[in-house]
Amino acid sequence: AQKVTQAQTEISVVEKEDVTLDCVYETRDTTYYLFWYKQPPSGELVFLIRRNSFDEQNEISGRYSWNFQKSTSSFNFTITASQVVDSAVYFCALSEAYDYKLSFGAGTTVTVRA
Amino acid sequence: DAGVTQSPTHLIKTRGQQVTLRCSPKSGHDTVSWYQQALGQGPQFIFQYYEEEERQRGNFPDRFSGHQFPNYSSELNVNALLLGDSALYLCASSLGDREVFGYTFGSGTRLTVV
Repeated sequence: AQKVTQAQTEISVVEKEDVTLDCVYETRDTTYYLFWYKQPPSGELVFLIRRNSFDEQNEISGRYSWNFQKSTSSFNFTITASQVVDSAVYFCALSEAYDYKLSFGAGTTVTVRA
Repeated sequence: DAGVTQSPTHLIKTRGQQVTLRCSPKSGHDTVSWYQQALGQGPQFIFQYYEEEERQRGNFPDRFSGHQFPNYSSELNVNALLLGDSALYLCASSLGDREVFGYTFGSGTRLTVV
């Protein structure tokens, strides 16, 4: 069975600080996909990144970066120089190769104070 | 380019009643998935529709049923509502039979059962 754990329930930082969100996953499949979504107060889930299990290259997109380590089954997300607009709930999710569903973690609420 | 549209935005129902939620997928998408997100939790997969058939179902009772129409729009029906059915119901659309192309989520329907 697949499982995603986001141990951090809430993180509060001051603007311009860096914040790292942890994600640990469990799966028996060798082929799987990992995702990060952002959920602002409006409710919709905003897609941030998708990574397949064969691509361990870290990725940077603007102030966002992701660190994928298969050896520790982790897919962590860092926001550099945080801004108030980054305040939201962030979800890590997993989908196995022959499964159509996304399995989400419980989410981490990020609050960035001005 | 319209994204995923869900209606209604908010809904209040009485325990024991039935409810129908609606979803119009993003233009060009043909697959619709439904998720239930209880307060403070990550979304849980209900089911996915593709080619007007339920392709996969999560761990939800038969009180939860759905339908996909020829224009790819979808409905989620919940019968005999329980207080525990109160949640944000999210619809996600994608293209093709593989979610690897990416899901687009709507803003959800907030259902309150009293």
